[in-house]
Amino acid sequence: SQTIHQWPATLVQPVGSPLSLECTVEGTSNPNLYWYRQAAGRGLQLLFYSVGIGQISSEVPQNLSASRPQDRQFILSSKKLLLSDSGFYLCAWSDPSGGEYANTGELFFGEGSRLTVL
Amino acid sequence: AQKVTQAQTEISVVEKEDVTLDCVYETRDTTYYLFWYKQPPSGELVFLIRRNSFDEQNEISGRYSWNFQKSTSSFNFTITASQVVDSAVYFCALSEAPGNTGKLIFGQGTTLQVKP
Repeated sequence: SQTIHQWPATLVQPVGSPLSLECTVEGTSNPNLYWYRQAAGRGLQLLFYSVGIGQISSEVPQNLSASRPQDRQFILSSKKLLLSDSGFYLCAWSDPSGGEYANTGELFFGEGSRLTVL
Repeated sequence: AQKVTQAQTEISVVEKEDVTLDCVYETRDTTYYLFWYKQPPSGELVFLIRRNSFDEQNEISGRYSWNFQKSTSSFNFTITASQVVDSAVYFCALSEAPGNTGKLIFGQGTTLQVKP
């Protein structure tokens, strides 16, 4: 069965420090991968998505970046965090191929990473 | 452009009451999918239902039911005989161009509090 994990679960960082959140998916090949952010009291905002290794699309201009060094690995990074980067970050995957959930847009989410920038 | 609106920010009910969460969407696509997700206090999003644009049949799953009406671009979610464990944030979402990127556009969420 497919699983998705992201870490760390909780992170407290000072303004100006770097960030690295990691997400890995198991049990599927060539998934679409996504990073969403949920700011306090707000909905889910899509930050980045990837349809393949090295292919990253940015939805919102910001000081964050994403990378996909391996098929099932998705990393969210920042060189210098801002206060406004605080939030709950969720990684997700979807199946674009011929699997059971293919072409339905259904996303499977990780446990989330709560980032507090002080 | 695709958009999902959940006008109810917070709803509070007493246990055993029925409650309906509203969702209105906008899209130019003729093929699309609608979703509801539940986010309990733990934070992880839990999939509840997926409905494609060609299937307007209402669906019932235990105490949960969904009313999809293309004429009003609405996909409302009703919980019958609510329970304290139903307390969570509920998100309605619309898939963009299924089969391509599979991106989901989420509404702002409705926080449901069920009091004992």
